[in-house]
Amino acid sequence: AAGVIQSPRHLIKEKRETATLKCYPIPRHDTVYWYQQGPGQDPQFLISFYEKMQSDKGSIPDRFSAQQFSDYHSELNMSSLELGDSALYFCASSLDRDRDGNEQFFGPGTRLTVL
Amino acid sequence: GQNIDQPTEMTATEGAIVQINCTYQTSGFNGLFWYQQHAGEAPTFLSYNVLDGLEEKGRFSSFLSRSKGYSYLLLKELQMKDSASYLCAVRVENSGYALNFGKGTSLLVTP
Repeated sequence: AAGVIQSPRHLIKEKRETATLKCYPIPRHDTVYWYQQGPGQDPQFLISFYEKMQSDKGSIPDRFSAQQFSDYHSELNMSSLELGDSALYFCASSLDRDRDGNEQFFGPGTRLTVL
Repeated sequence: GQNIDQPTEMTATEGAIVQINCTYQTSGFNGLFWYQQHAGEAPTFLSYNVLDGLEEKGRFSSFLSRSKGYSYLLLKELQMKDSASYLCAVRVENSGYALNFGKGTSLLVTP
């Protein structure tokens, strides 16, 4: 079965550079979530999209922005990168969020290292 | 925000049973999820509870008491591959259905 695809899997950037992470949800899933997981930390919710519209914002810095495109893929844009942005970035997708249960399926993550 | 507490670490023996507890304090509770995460990998869904009681799925069971803000994940017939972090996550109404994760419990299964 198709899973959530994220690219790139690994990314190394310098401070103050920009980065773009991509997420391709499971086909027919209508909701995409972005999470950030620092070393030894739990995943922290950043932002979500439902039917290509921003649904909710969590602890996403102002330096970050995201969008969901017509084909439902999503991109997380990160500017003025800081050392503290080094983390695993997960994208998750779900189908019919109003359905009871509404399991989120996580992608393999993008490991961002800021030097 | 939501306060979600889990033990940091647990150790159990292969073949045994282990119970991982999770307590939470939240308003607008809309479901509790358990995920398994191996180091450096994506969280994978284990179970979901929204009503009080026990949900069983093979070797894994999860229990919820909404009045007590308490859940546990029960793992039976432990296998070495069950060594992982177990994340308790709460979903809250009016939060865009995002998950609020606890710090996770690192489970080590020993021979």
